[in-house]
Parts: sequence; C-alpha cells; structure tokens
Amino acid sequence: AQSVTQPDIHITVSEGASLELRCNYSYGATPYLFWYVQSPGQGLQLLLKYFSGDTLVQGIKGFEAEFKRSQSSFNLRKPSVHWSDAAEYFCALGIRDDKIIFGKGTRLHILP
Amino acid sequence: DAGITQSPRHKVTETGTPVTLRCHQTENHRYMYWYRQDPGHGLRLIHYSYGVKDTDKGEVSDGYSVSRSKTEDFLLTLESATSSQTSVYFCAISDPLAGGQETQYFGPGTRLLVL
Repeated sequence: AQSVTQPDIHITVSEGASLELRCNYSYGATPYLFWYVQSPGQGLQLLLKYFSGDTLVQGIKGFEAEFKRSQSSFNLRKPSVHWSDAAEYFCALGIRDDKIIFGKGTRLHILP
Repeated sequence: DAGITQSPRHKVTETGTPVTLRCHQTENHRYMYWYRQDPGHGLRLIHYSYGVKDTDKGEVSDGYSVSRSKTEDFLLTLESATSSQTSVYFCAISDPLAGGQETQYFGPGTRLLVL
C-alpha cells in the first residue's frame, strides 16, 4: 500500500541553523514527490517537486530536497533557516489517477 | 499564485443543516479536488473531479457529495452537517499531462465549524 511518513511531528531549530525534515514513502512504482509549506491560516504552497532526473531538487525560498530510492526517502533541507520559515511542512506522494497522498506534516519552530 | 478562490472562507453552522462550499478557478485546469485538513491527519482527499460532470470518491467521502457543472466551479455539499465534519476544507486544481503527474495548487481554505 502507498503511504507517506513524516517521522517528526515537531522540530525546533535556532535561527541560522541548518534544517533537515524527513520524509519516507512506500510506493510500488516510480514516485512523484512533493514538499508543500503551510503558514498559519494559509493554504499550501508548493516548495519543490521531484518527477524524474536529477535526484537533488532545488525549490523556492532556498529549500532543496534529495530523492534517495534506496532509502525510499525525500528529505527536505535548508542550510540556514529564517524566522519566517516557521510553518508546517507536508511531504506528498503522487499516485495513479493524479491523486496525492500527504504525510501528516512536520511543524517547524524557530528559536530566535 | 494559481487563481483559486473558495467561498465562504469561514462558516459556522448547526448539526443537521446542509452546507455547500464553493471552489472557483480561473486556470481552466481539468482536475479539481476537495480535501479536509484535521490535526494529526494531514490532508485527506474527499472527492475529486477529472472533468465537467466527472467525479469520483476519495479517501473520506462519506457524508459528502460534489458537483461540477462548469470547468471553473467545484461544489462540495454536506447534506446534513455533523460535528465530525468540523474541519478546514481545501480545494486544489491540477492539469495533468497525459500519462503523467502534475502539481496540485491549493486554494486558501474554508474553515467550517459545526455546532
């Protein structure tokens, strides 16, 4: 069965520190993978996506993600976080019929 | 930003009353989706549409119906609202390439409280 797991419900990092949010997926075919960000009271904004090709994907706001097929992972990274990065982050898996399965999200807190 | 609006943005209603949420897009995308977002559950698909008058059920469709009479509008109806349907509802759109996967773009959400 297809699924997306985000192991960390909450993560706290200091402003300026590096960030890595974990995402693991289960899917029997080639995965299409996404990261979305949701600020409080807002809709979801696409950060980046992986469909094929280069396994290191660059996104908006300085984020990147690396697809590792051997680990069934698609972790999101940022070298130096800003207070404005505090939000909830969702990893998502594209499956057949153009549907997406979302992970349950990781809430990122930034310490000043 | 994709041209997606949702109305109303906030609604309070009573148990047993019908409620209709509207999603309107100006992108002419073929696919439209309704999700609900609840703490600890992420986003779950309620219904989706792959064209005018073509709809299908998602993961949590019980108690919901949808209609799509025009490309730009996708309506979600709660025939008889229950407290368990208190949630934030998001509409999304996409325009998949044949045989491929395309990105979904989300509306701003509707916050529904059922008393």
